[in-house]
Amino acid sequence: DAKTTQPTSMDCAEGRAANLPCNHSTISGNEYVYWYRQIHSQGPQYIIHGLKNNETNEMASLIITEDRKSSTLILPHATLRDTAVYYCIVRVSYNQGGKLIFGQGTELSVKP
Amino acid sequence: DAGVIQSPRHEVTEMGQEVTLRCKPISGHDYLFWYRQTMMRGLELLIYFNNNVPIDDSGMPEDRFSAKMPNASFSTLKIQPSEPRDSAVYFCAVRTGVNYGYTFGSGTRLTVV
Repeated sequence: DAKTTQPTSMDCAEGRAANLPCNHSTISGNEYVYWYRQIHSQGPQYIIHGLKNNETNEMASLIITEDRKSSTLILPHATLRDTAVYYCIVRVSYNQGGKLIFGQGTELSVKP
Repeated sequence: DAGVIQSPRHEVTEMGQEVTLRCKPISGHDYLFWYRQTMMRGLELLIYFNNNVPIDDSGMPEDRFSAKMPNASFSTLKIQPSEPRDSAVYFCAVRTGVNYGYTFGSGTRLTVV
């Protein structure tokens, strides 16, 4: 699976959009981009995933560049409860099982 | 929506003792994963099962660690004998069918003294 690069930490004001970048320049054509987050003392939580089209669900939006070498997770109106570590993961096999390998992620702090 | 129940939530044991961590996925999964999390090493995949069969145990640190999945509703991770360096939070996760995301349990915090 391709390697990802994320900033170590970011701050965001409450109510503003949080934009979390992820670089995956070695991504292959059959690899998906997944985002998870981990709130302190809890297990990781699935947020969203995509292949090449932008995706949106009730939690967030995922914007993938046309060359697929980078993506951005957008939390449109961040709240204090969105403070967490956010993991960007690239892996093969959307509709199969297999490993999810976590990097160090981005620690997002949402401030009042 | 499938959920994952782990027990115990916290475990404190003495070095050399056997420790068994338990995972009960509710329903609707076909893959089950065991992870370990520490400050130094982050989230590490230990082993995973497909339809109750172990697929990849290359992440298991050493022979003191073993995992079983006797049926789709239950899995255990055993450490025998335990050592202080095994202190970590251990997570169980399953792949859920609806969106192919993975659902994690709340974890077991293990402290070996």
